[in-house]
Amino acid sequence: DTAVSQTPKYLVTQMGNDKSIKCEQNLGHDTMYWYKQDSKKFLKIMFSYNNKELIINETVPNRFSPKSPDKAHLNLHINSLELGDSAVYFCASSPSDGNTQYFGPGTRLTVL
Amino acid sequence: EDKVVQSPLSLVVHEGDTVTLNCSYEVTNFRSLLWYKQEKKAPTFLFMLTSSGIEKKSGRLSSILDKKELSSILNITATQTGDSAIYLCAVEVSGESKYIFGTGTRLKVLA
Repeated sequence: DTAVSQTPKYLVTQMGNDKSIKCEQNLGHDTMYWYKQDSKKFLKIMFSYNNKELIINETVPNRFSPKSPDKAHLNLHINSLELGDSAVYFCASSPSDGNTQYFGPGTRLTVL
Repeated sequence: EDKVVQSPLSLVVHEGDTVTLNCSYEVTNFRSLLWYKQEKKAPTFLFMLTSSGIEKKSGRLSSILDKKELSSILNITATQTGDSAIYLCAVEVSGESKYIFGTGTRLKVLA
């Protein structure tokens, strides 16, 4: 009955690899998000996406790309991983009014 | 099942009032509790509370962790209209790299 789920919980990989993180929500929400949590616990928004529009934070490198096979899923693909990509990545979703976001448990990515 | 519950769900006050927001949790292995303020876009980090740091203060905002009661409060004194936002509480679960977010408290401060 998990509302927003992410897989995997942990991801350890080498520099230069390409990896994906999956996110699924069963809340029927229209909008999904990806955040990166840095070492200071700041949550930086990377993308917001609904079935009409993808909004990209312009500071996000184009090595990061969201892919949405359907309304309930928003996966994050990362190409050519770098050391600085190590962080916890959170997926979230919200209903159409965007009032409240429901967060997934996070995926801890470690790039070696 | 691990969970985080925030109360109240919403709150309307007038400028100058003091508000107290609550966050209670049930998790298997508590590591830390975080408070965020979310306005229109991404949440802004406010405080992190751990067993070694159970009280934090920044300006008009302060937060206390009560490990016995498995809860935390966020106090805002002399509220301003700019404090209007959703306040999110999250608990980090030790050993699982997992954060559990509450659904937030929507605060509206009227002029």
